[in-house]
Formats: sequence, structure tokens, C-alpha cells
Amino acid sequence: KQEVTQIPAALSVPEGENLVLNCSFTDSAIYNLQWFRQDPGKGLTSLLLIQSSQREQTSGRLNASLDKSSGRSTLYIAASQPGDSATYLCAVRQVAGNQFYFGTGTSLTVIP
Amino acid sequence: KAGVTQTPRYLIKTRGQQVTLSCSPISGHRSVSWYQQTPGQGLQFLFEYFSETQRNKGNFPGRFSGRQFSNSRSEMNVSTLELGDSALYLCASRSGSIDEQYFGPGTRLTVT
Repeated sequence: KQEVTQIPAALSVPEGENLVLNCSFTDSAIYNLQWFRQDPGKGLTSLLLIQSSQREQTSGRLNASLDKSSGRSTLYIAASQPGDSATYLCAVRQVAGNQFYFGTGTSLTVIP
Repeated sequence: KAGVTQTPRYLIKTRGQQVTLSCSPISGHRSVSWYQQTPGQGLQFLFEYFSETQRNKGNFPGRFSGRQFSNSRSEMNVSTLELGDSALYLCASRSGSIDEQYFGPGTRLTVT
């Protein structure tokens, strides 16, 4: 069964700092990987989608990379802002069973 | 374009009762997936519907069921509610040709 792990579980940084969130998965047979943010009590907002054939995707201050062979993805956030405070989740769409599996998330706090 | 909508947003039910949740996907999206989110288990996949057919199913008991209508709107039903069913229920839609999932705000179900 696919297992998706996110480290660290929580992260607190001062405003302006660059940071990296990690996501690892055990089964590399995936169609794609998607990063989301979730604000408390709310639904998920899609940030970036990386297809299995791609190495990275960029959107504004966000950059996500994918190393499928090693089962890892990173989300890089440049020049962090207090508005970036949220829980960040990664999800993989596995080939076997065609299901999505989510990580447990990283809770990010950006201190003004 | 309107986003994914879910109704109701909050629900309180008693053990043993049943509940029906509704999800309207983004216009043109034919796939709807349902997820359960709890603090202990995180986000877990329930099932996915595509063009009125259940395409995938997660590891949940038969008390959890769903259906999709010809206009792609989907309902999820939970019968004989248990305390452990208290959770945020999220639905997500995608177009089918593009994998990016878009989530609704969720329905917060509390079972007493």
C-alpha cells in the first residue's frame, strides 16, 4: 500500500525566509503528485501539479520538484509571508488502483 | 467559473442515524471523489465517481456509499452513524482529462 510521509510535521520560520517542505512516497509507480494548502477548517487549495514525466513546476514564489525514482518531492517557498501560514499537503495518484494518497501534512507558521 | 460546492456545511447527527451529503463539481468536470479527514487518520479516500459509475473505492465499510447523477452532482450517504464518523468530508472534482483536483469547502459532520 502506498505510504506518503511529510517531514517536518510542523515548521515555524520568520517572515522573509526561504523554506523547503518534503514529501516522500513508497511506491514510485505514480501518475502525478499534487501539492495543496489547507487553512484551518477549510477545504484544500491546489498549488501545483507535477506529472510523473515532469521534474518540476513553478507558480509565483512556489517551486515543486519531483524525483520519482527516489520517491521524493519538495515544495520550495521563497520569501515566506505570514499569509503562507497553513497546512501543506502532498498527494500522489498511484497507478495501481488509480487512487490518490495524501500525506499527513506540514503545518507552517510564518512569524511577522 | 464557480468552484466545487458542498452542502450542508455543518451537520450534527445522533448515533444510528443516517446522513446524506451533496457535492456539485466544477462545470464540465465529470469526476467526483470523496474524502474523509480526521485529526488521527488524516485524509482518506472514500470513492470516486466518473460519468455516474463508481471507478474506485477506498477501504471503508459498506455503510459508506455514494452515487453520481447525470449532471455530475454527487451524493454520499452514511448509514448507522457511529461516533468515529465525525469528520470533515471533502469532495474534489477534476475534468478527467486533466488530473488536477479541485476541492470544495467540506461538510463538517459531528455525531453525538
